Amino acid sequence: AQSVTQLGSHVSVSEGALVLLRCNYSSSVPPYLFWYVQYPNQGLQLLLKYTSAATLVKGINGFEAEFKKSETSFHLTKPSAHMSDAAEYFCATNSGGYQKVTFGIGTKLQVIP
Amino acid sequence: DAGVTQSPTHLIKTRGQQVTLRCSPKSGHDTVSWYQQALGQGPQFIFQYYEEEERQRGNFPDRFSGHQFPNYSSELNVNALLLGDSALYLCASSLGTGVGSTEAFFGQGTRLTVV
Repeated sequence: AQSVTQLGSHVSVSEGALVLLRCNYSSSVPPYLFWYVQYPNQGLQLLLKYTSAATLVKGINGFEAEFKKSETSFHLTKPSAHMSDAAEYFCATNSGGYQKVTFGIGTKLQVIP
Repeated sequence: DAGVTQSPTHLIKTRGQQVTLRCSPKSGHDTVSWYQQALGQGPQFIFQYYEEEERQRGNFPDRFSGHQFPNYSSELNVNALLLGDSALYLCASSLGTGVGSTEAFFGQGTRLTVV
């Protein structure tokens, strides 16, 4: 079964600093990978998705992620953190077929002024 | 476009009771999935409905059941509530069930508290 592992349940960065949230996947077949963001008391919003078309995926709000097969990674980055980026971020994978999405445990991003 | 809408937003129930949560999918979507998100955890897949049938199910007991109506809206029912059922319940909608790029749109969830 496909799964994802998020490294670091909490990440703190200074405003303006690089954001790097780590995700590794486990899959026997090329996976579909996603990053979702969840603001407090909100549902999930899709940031970006990888579907094998391009290894560097650009998403909303200035985020991007790079699919690295050799490292089985799909890390999320943003060059400069804003206060509004403070939220919880979930890496997820799709097992295909019936669109069941399997989520990681989440990483809470804190942005320090 | 109203997106995915869920009702109610908050709910408090007593242990042993039954609860029904509702979801209206995004316009044009025909598939509804339900997820349970316990505090501090990632969402866990409960089940998915397409063409009014349960198509796939996660590791949840039979106390969790659902239904999809002809207009694609869906209900999640939980019987014999336990304290451990307290969670945010998320509904996601999408189009079709084939393999491919899956963009699931999520609602804001129903916060269920069992006391």
